Amino acid sequence: DAGITQSPRYKITETGRQVTLMCHQTWSHSYMFWYRQDLGHGLRLIYYSAAADITDKGEVPDGYVVSRSKTENFPLTLESATRSQTSVYFCASSGESDLRQFFGPGTRLTVL
Amino acid sequence: GQNIDQPTEMTATEGAIVQINCTYQTSGFNGLFWYQQHAGEAPTFLSYNVLDGLEEKGRFSSFLSRSKGYSYLLLKELQMKDSASYLCAVRGPYGGATNKLIFGTGTLLAVQP
Repeated sequence: DAGITQSPRYKITETGRQVTLMCHQTWSHSYMFWYRQDLGHGLRLIYYSAAADITDKGEVPDGYVVSRSKTENFPLTLESATRSQTSVYFCASSGESDLRQFFGPGTRLTVL
Repeated sequence: GQNIDQPTEMTATEGAIVQINCTYQTSGFNGLFWYQQHAGEAPTFLSYNVLDGLEEKGRFSSFLSRSKGYSYLLLKELQMKDSASYLCAVRGPYGGATNKLIFGTGTLLAVQP
């Protein structure tokens, strides 16, 4: 089915481990985004990408790494997970002319 | 910098009308979005305003005043399923990719019978 998917949906890991969250969209949207959502902070932008091989930092990029070798994929890596990175992570995409962002179902990450 | 303010919580009665306000201060403005987010789910698009005035879409309407840095979302004929968080988001001229959004912390609406 067309759309935007995220995997895994739930993840428990330990402090110091590397974790990669996957995001895949089938619309060939140019723009892709990673947000984290925490109580009291709302949605905060971590990284975004305007096209394949073009990425840039958002509001809270520290501790995260992204890549975008293909238009449809935008993985987010936590290089050394910390407890403060426990959160719900949403991936989103939008097209060149349609400015709406469409969100994936989210990944709930717990760092112990 | 960018700052977006909206009430944290609101309560309304089924069948009534509710207005959720959003004020913003941004270094440049290229449109305002409203998203709905049910508990445990992803945000979904409701409306987009880039010019001043009212945009109506069924039971939902959204208003924008750029000179006042103000928007509201109006929900009519409230239903229980409208209980959700409503997120205000502003699109600014960030240079480079201009589809970045800054989100407010959301307004949690509880619809009571």
